[in-house]
Amino acid sequence: GAGVSQTPSNKVTEKGKYVELRCDPISGHTALYWYRQSLGQGPEFLIYFQGTGAADDSGLPNDRFFAVRPEGSVSTLKIQRTERGDSAVYLCASSLTGGSNEKLFFGSGTQLSVL
Amino acid sequence: QQQVKQSPQSLIVQKGGISIINCAYENTAFDYFPWYQQFPGKGPALLIAIRPDVSEKKEGRFTISFNKSAKQFSLHIMDSQPGDSATYFCAATIGGSSYKLIFGSGTRLLVRP
Repeated sequence: GAGVSQTPSNKVTEKGKYVELRCDPISGHTALYWYRQSLGQGPEFLIYFQGTGAADDSGLPNDRFFAVRPEGSVSTLKIQRTERGDSAVYLCASSLTGGSNEKLFFGSGTQLSVL
Repeated sequence: QQQVKQSPQSLIVQKGGISIINCAYENTAFDYFPWYQQFPGKGPALLIAIRPDVSEKKEGRFTISFNKSAKQFSLHIMDSQPGDSATYFCAATIGGSSYKLIFGSGTRLLVRP
């Protein structure tokens, strides 16, 4: 596609529910990243995929968060037992190879609101 | 040590003026310093980036100044335009890694016509 696509753009859920956020990276990009941006803050790194594998998941805050990229393209971020503190914009980015100083292309994000 | 401190939090500049945003860091292992521009409802977009072996980098109206000894870097926007009104984030990373960016808290810039 022309850019990184994220769906849904907005997600409202209740505390304790399970949510899935989808990211469709730029075609041909092998590297994919998830970041979380709280209101008034800069994005924070969550996880990095190189192909199908999670190369670095050190930013995931706890075991309620999990992400997959089974075919090396689309990725899904999964959050179990959501908490109000999970409310944020979840950003996905991709880059061509994940090489040094490579440009990341961000999607517009999914605004998650946990009531 | 992993933080990047950004100031000011917000900035108002008249059209044609110079916008200056500053960032400071502690971790001397940081070796790549990009700036991102973010419009409301959009993801951040890379604006310009610098490595610490260079003291200044210019791309059009945007200039990064880098002071390695002071561990500070800044973004200068010359001839600021209303279309530049956005939130700007500085960032840093280690080992040339593109992915584990440490972002500042952002500066909301408003350029008045």
